[in-house]
Amino acid sequence: AQRVTQPEKLLSVFKGAPVELKCNYSYSGSPELFWYVQYSRQRLQLLLRHISRESIKGFTADLNKGETSFHLKKPFAQEEDSAMYYCALKGDAGGTSYGKLTFGQGTILTVHP
Amino acid sequence: DSGVTQTPKHLITATGQRVTLRCSPRSGDLSVYWYQQSLDQGLQFLIQYYNGEERAKGNILERFSAQQFPDLHSELNLSSLELGDSALYFCASSVGLGSIGEKLFFGSGTQLSVL
Repeated sequence: AQRVTQPEKLLSVFKGAPVELKCNYSYSGSPELFWYVQYSRQRLQLLLRHISRESIKGFTADLNKGETSFHLKKPFAQEEDSAMYYCALKGDAGGTSYGKLTFGQGTILTVHP
Repeated sequence: DSGVTQTPKHLITATGQRVTLRCSPRSGDLSVYWYQQSLDQGLQFLIQYYNGEERAKGNILERFSAQQFPDLHSELNLSSLELGDSALYFCASSVGLGSIGEKLFFGSGTQLSVL
């Protein structure tokens, strides 16, 4: 079974402070990890995925297979970063649904001025 | 704009009723996925269709059903609605089965309120 855990439901920081949103996963195979962002219960937008090793809007995330983690980080938070963030996992289900995403419960990030 | 279109944006209905949510995938995408977002359950995968055939099932109730038509649009049918079915229903699409490296694109969702 695949599982994604985001231990923090709420996270508050001040503008300019570093921010880290935690994500741990459980999966026996080779997962693909994603971070999605949702502003005001609108469309889910892909923020980044581990296979791309890209940095979007200043956010980065590194897959740590030893710790089964994929934490999202940004060195200097901005007010416009306030949103709901979801960590998601896609497993190599081997013939069934590759595309099924398992989401964590989400973390609401609030960046105060 | 992701290219995935969902209608209607909002739906208000009463308990016991039946509704149909519609999703048009991005041009060229063969897979459609349905997700439910609720306050208590979070984001949950319901079902996936690929090129007209059911591909995978998640936590979808028996009162719910879906289909994908030859033009690849999909409909999610919710019947005998209960208060707890109130949620935001998202549709997503991908070009293939969703294998490693393949992106999913989400629609704006349909907000269902059951009164």
